[in-house]
Amino acid sequence: GENVEQHPSTLSVQEGDSAVIKCTYSDSASNYFPWYKQELGKRPQLIIDIRSNVGEKKDQRIAVTLNKTAKHFSLHITETQPEDSAVYFCAASAWNTGNQFYFGTGTSLTVIP
Amino acid sequence: SQTIHQWPATLVQPVGSPLSLECTVEGTSNPNLYWYRQAAGRGLQLLFYSVGIGQISSEVPQNLSASRPQDRQFILSSKKLLLSDSGFYLCAWSVPGEQYFGPGTRLTVT
Repeated sequence: GENVEQHPSTLSVQEGDSAVIKCTYSDSASNYFPWYKQELGKRPQLIIDIRSNVGEKKDQRIAVTLNKTAKHFSLHITETQPEDSAVYFCAASAWNTGNQFYFGTGTSLTVIP
Repeated sequence: SQTIHQWPATLVQPVGSPLSLECTVEGTSNPNLYWYRQAAGRGLQLLFYSVGIGQISSEVPQNLSASRPQDRQFILSSKKLLLSDSGFYLCAWSVPGEQYFGPGTRLTVT
């Protein structure tokens, strides 16, 4: 089955700096890669996703890149703000053939004002 | 638009008591449905998923069970709770390509 690894487990950055979270996956059949943000006590919220036919996707201050050959994808947050502090999860799924989403173990991001 | 409901929001139950958590989805048909558990400060553990009425797949052996009596209803149950069942229980739905989570039920087993 699919195995998703996520690094780092914790990340602290100064406000205004960039943050990068990286994930690797093992199953070449995976073709959909969402990222979730979970604030304390809340549900995970989908913030951005990318499909395997795209190498990069951007939405304001967040972007995701995908390298299918190396089987890794990354979340980039620029100009970080205190409200970006949360736990971020990556996931992988074979959306057109599979039913399961495989999650990374999460990255706790702290943005220091 | 699609909406997912879970109840109750919080629950405190003694060890050995039964459990029933309910999840319903509005605004979509024939979704895949999932139950996840999240221990404090930990990641998401998939417990069950369902691709249709009466179709349940279990990911880990445990004292929990799930049922899907209707297309948009997913129920998580236990006959006897353990201390280790404490956690944040999240229901999720997906259609091809996207998955969304419900608001969750915080369960404390005492």
